[in-house]
Amino acid sequence: AQSVTQPDIHITVSEGASLELRCNYSYGATPYLFWYVQSPGQGLQLLLKYFSGDTLVQGIKGFEAEFKRSQSSFNLRKPSVHWSDAAEYFCAVGGNTGTASKLTFGTGTRLQVTL
Amino acid sequence: DGGITQSPKYLFRKEGQNVTLSCEQNLNHDAMYWYRQDPGQGLRLIYYSQIVNDFQKGDIAEGYSVSREKKESFPLTVTSAQKNPTAFYLCASSSLDPATNEKLFFGSGTQLSVL
Repeated sequence: AQSVTQPDIHITVSEGASLELRCNYSYGATPYLFWYVQSPGQGLQLLLKYFSGDTLVQGIKGFEAEFKRSQSSFNLRKPSVHWSDAAEYFCAVGGNTGTASKLTFGTGTRLQVTL
Repeated sequence: DGGITQSPKYLFRKEGQNVTLSCEQNLNHDAMYWYRQDPGQGLRLIYYSQIVNDFQKGDIAEGYSVSREKKESFPLTVTSAQKNPTAFYLCASSSLDPATNEKLFFGSGTQLSVL
């Protein structure tokens, strides 16, 4: 069965500092990997996705993520965090199934940004 | 603007009552989804639909029902059989285009609480 683990429930960083959010997955074939962001009381917005090809993917809002097959990881990074980045971040894994109904979401990491 | 509209933002249910959450999209997406979000947990799929008049159960369908009479609309009914309905409910949609079918677009959610 596929699964996603986000080991950090809550992370606090200072504005301007770098950020890395961890995501480990389990999937029996080539995974499709996603990072979504959720502001309080809102829906989720896709930050970036990995399907194939270059293992370093760029997303919106200055985020990037690197797929490491050997480590079953897809960590999200940002060089310099802004106060507006405070939100909850979800990693998700799926495959080439033709439907988003097969996506599995992690439990999320809540990011707090201090000024 | 294209998007997904969920209503109401907040909803209260009395014991033994059925309540219906509305979800409308104008993205011309074929697929629509309902997720439940509980604090500290990832999103769990309740129901999904890929075509009008057809829908499938997700991982936690018990105590819920849906209909898909129009492409734009996918209402969710939380029935009295759902004994723990308090949660944040998210509606999402996606295209069935193989290049983008796993990218979900989310509404802003409905918070359901029990009186």
